[in-house]
Amino acid sequence: GESVGLHLPTLSVQEGDNSIINCAYSNSASDYFIWYKQESGKGPQFIIDIRSNMDKRQGQRVTVLLNKTVKHLSLQIAATQPGDSAVYFCAENMGETSGSRLTFGEGTQLTVNP
Amino acid sequence: DADVTQTPRNRITKTGKRIMLECSQTKGHDRMYWYRQDPGLGLRLIYYSFDVKDINKGEISDGYSVSRQAQAKFSLSLESAIPNQTALYFCATSASWNTEAFFGQGTRLTVV
Repeated sequence: GESVGLHLPTLSVQEGDNSIINCAYSNSASDYFIWYKQESGKGPQFIIDIRSNMDKRQGQRVTVLLNKTVKHLSLQIAATQPGDSAVYFCAENMGETSGSRLTFGEGTQLTVNP
Repeated sequence: DADVTQTPRNRITKTGKRIMLECSQTKGHDRMYWYRQDPGLGLRLIYYSFDVKDINKGEISDGYSVSRQAQAKFSLSLESAIPNQTALYFCATSASWNTEAFFGQGTRLTVV
């Protein structure tokens, strides 16, 4: 069925290291993908997005990679900082013909150790 | 001021009571959404609206209803609250299906 899932529920890294958070999606018709960051007590915040016609997109310290062949999405955070500690969610959208709804994964808790 | 404002931020209510959660946005977007988040889980879509005259059920709409009073306002109602509706509720808005959604700070609802 339609689902977006994450390989690991938790990830712990040292400050300054690079972080990689993975996400698997099951629907090959998905056309748009987003990564959100959620800090404790707050709503999800947009990090970066990517459309299905791309395989890589870079932002400030973040890179999203999309592999449509294996239906895999990853978020790379460079030089991870304590302020990056949060839960990270990937989400997919299959477009207008499917009701244009975002489907969220379960999230990965990223902990950055000083 | 926040782009998306939810009220109340926290609410405790009794089983069987009717409760309304309100959401307003200043982004000027047509699309608005209500999501529910349970501990350790991602967000699940309850209802969504593409404009004032358009309301659609999401994946978990049973036990909920919504009202789109204006482009900027979208409220969620629990007609008769039950304990398993205890959760964190988020309102969001977006310009289109392939642009980011902006989320409110959430409403923590506890049904006792």
